Amino acid sequence: GAGVSQSPSNKVTEKGKDVELRCDPISGHTALYWYRQSLGQGLEFLIYFQGNSAPDKSGLPSDRFSAERTGGSVSTLTIQRTQQEDSAVYLCASSPSGTLGQPQHFGDGTRLSIL
Amino acid sequence: DQQVKQNSPSLSVQEGRISILNCDYTNSMFDYFLWYKKYPAEGPTFLISISSIKDKNEDGRFTVFLNKSAKHLSLHIVPSQPGDSAVYFCAASPFSGGYNKLIFGAGTRLAVHP
Repeated sequence: GAGVSQSPSNKVTEKGKDVELRCDPISGHTALYWYRQSLGQGLEFLIYFQGNSAPDKSGLPSDRFSAERTGGSVSTLTIQRTQQEDSAVYLCASSPSGTLGQPQHFGDGTRLSIL
Repeated sequence: DQQVKQNSPSLSVQEGRISILNCDYTNSMFDYFLWYKKYPAEGPTFLISISSIKDKNEDGRFTVFLNKSAKHLSLHIVPSQPGDSAVYFCAASPFSGGYNKLIFGAGTRLAVHP
């Protein structure tokens, strides 16, 4: 399909392990965003990419969280030494250029559960 | 500090009637407002947006109203259909930075029953 693709769809891991979440945006979209949704909460902004650069990382909750984007396409969100409070649905979105007011297209998310 | 608030966690409406979902915000620097719809186990889907320079935007059965003085917006769905049953998120985009960092409310679960 032509939508935003995220993998894995579900991930269960033990506390203290590292995890990598992948996002494949819509082809040609230069803007890419990561959000997370904790149980019963709204979506919380994590990081914004324009091309391969991340001009806004202000939402990353701690230095255990990092993200990169290569080739202006696929992005990986990495969480090191996972904690139980990291359990959430992690959502990726892309938009053509990131212009103000431009709707973002979301993937179906990765549900992360930390035991 | 919750900048975007959806104070009703749930709403139940009869099919064919109007659904009104409300959203309040605190930051006067928000430049765009968007509504997203979310089904279980799926990502949010964009519904409709409004610029801060307008007070109404309409798209088919969906209309968004913006009252800047009250820092309040609402989404009207007329007529409501069972397929509209989902969680609706209000989101706002601040002007600063010139890009689309969305700040979301906690969502309102809409149930449309026959």
